Amino acid sequence: NAGVMQNPRHLVRRRGQEARLRCSPMKGHSHVYWYRQLPEEGLKFMVYLQKENIIDESGMPKERFSAEFPKEGPSILRIQQVVRGDSAAYFCASSQDIQETQYFGPGTRLLVL
Amino acid sequence: QKEVEQNSGPLSVPEGAIASLNCTYSDRGSQSFFWYRQYSGKSPELIMSIYSNGDKEDGRFTAQLNKASQYVSLLIRDSQPSDSATYLCAVKRGSSNTGKLIFGQGTTLQVKP
Repeated sequence: NAGVMQNPRHLVRRRGQEARLRCSPMKGHSHVYWYRQLPEEGLKFMVYLQKENIIDESGMPKERFSAEFPKEGPSILRIQQVVRGDSAAYFCASSQDIQETQYFGPGTRLLVL
Repeated sequence: QKEVEQNSGPLSVPEGAIASLNCTYSDRGSQSFFWYRQYSGKSPELIMSIYSNGDKEDGRFTAQLNKASQYVSLLIRDSQPSDSATYLCAVKRGSSNTGKLIFGQGTTLQVKP
């Protein structure tokens, strides 16, 4: 049973470019969560999605960041016009139900030059 | 006041000793509590979950929850060098419309051979 998959594992972007991070949840999981871990900081919740719906985006920056979880395909976290402060590890987690345990993917490490 | 607080450490214990990791939380409505282990450069891995007051044991790990004191701890018996990692305490609120986890900063554990 494959775990949560994220790609790319490493992403380098120049300031002003767009970053697209993909997450495929575990088989049977329909709840996806995105977290960000800045250098030397803890994990911070960004957004919680179910298929085709954003349930809670209280942790998302108001500008430049967006997320989706289409009916078919992976969840996408998009960062437009990246800045150096966006450099971080972005983790996706999935669960079978809102009350169930969240399992984390390997993360995407974004570096903005 | 941070919602979830942990001593950042490092906590250093000799091999074979008991490591005690502590976490306090501020929201009395919190219902679910988790300990994740994160090795440097890797993703969080679930160690224990606990939902009711008291102790929960799994192998060398024991989680303890005291909701009245808003305190959750993790004991690691017979500590091994391979236990050296950052341990993240995470809390989920009781509200039903979000599954987001609130993480502490993490405690770095060093087990010395």
